Amino acid sequence: RKEVEQDPGPFNVPEGATVAFNCTYSNSASQSFFWYRQDCRKEPKLLMSVYSSGNEDGRFTAQLNRASQYISLLIRDSKLSDSATYLCVVNTDTGRRALTFGSGTRLQVQP
Amino acid sequence: EPEVTQTPSHQVTQMGQEVILRCVPISNHLYFYWYRQILGQKVEFLVSFYNNEISEKSEIFDDQFSVERPDGSNFTLKIRSTKLEDSAMYFCATKTTVVSYNEQFFGPGTRLTVL
Repeated sequence: RKEVEQDPGPFNVPEGATVAFNCTYSNSASQSFFWYRQDCRKEPKLLMSVYSSGNEDGRFTAQLNRASQYISLLIRDSKLSDSATYLCVVNTDTGRRALTFGSGTRLQVQP
Repeated sequence: EPEVTQTPSHQVTQMGQEVILRCVPISNHLYFYWYRQILGQKVEFLVSFYNNEISEKSEIFDDQFSVERPDGSNFTLKIRSTKLEDSAMYFCATKTTVVSYNEQFFGPGTRLTVL
């Protein structure tokens, strides 16, 4: 089983749409969770950390369900500039301090 | 805004040659990482580095690879004898503390092409 699993997409949505991405992780010892955004051939950039209580940053809402080992990202009112690959990222915090990435979900917002 | 820088942006080399990829971390950051991303695949952890020594390495980071911080600023990744399958984007990332929610900042990457 993959450590971090995501639907690769692509998700093709019109501007203004709401889109949701899901992610599951296999290691129950995982401690911290993130969504990163990656544009084509660029470095990953932190979109938001994901907290147990859920958190929102403008049009973006992240949820974490530890019991189901499930993370989600909701994007409201999609913009053309949201087109990118969204990476679900987990830190098991067992001393390694390194990040474990999912393969990413590609989003294409169309005019 | 401070940022991680990497050089070169693109490196083309022949199989069997040595390459050195360079990273300049953000100045107050203490934890350093190398990741790689083969085209079309996920980002994979290679190695973490703290206090002038390797903290952890993945199974990818074999004897062909080494890291060092020779002058207290640059953080380098050396591949001793490159193979075709080493072709990938190599990202350096840095972090200020060990706290897990603390963001890792990624550099723009070096594209390594092995011919």
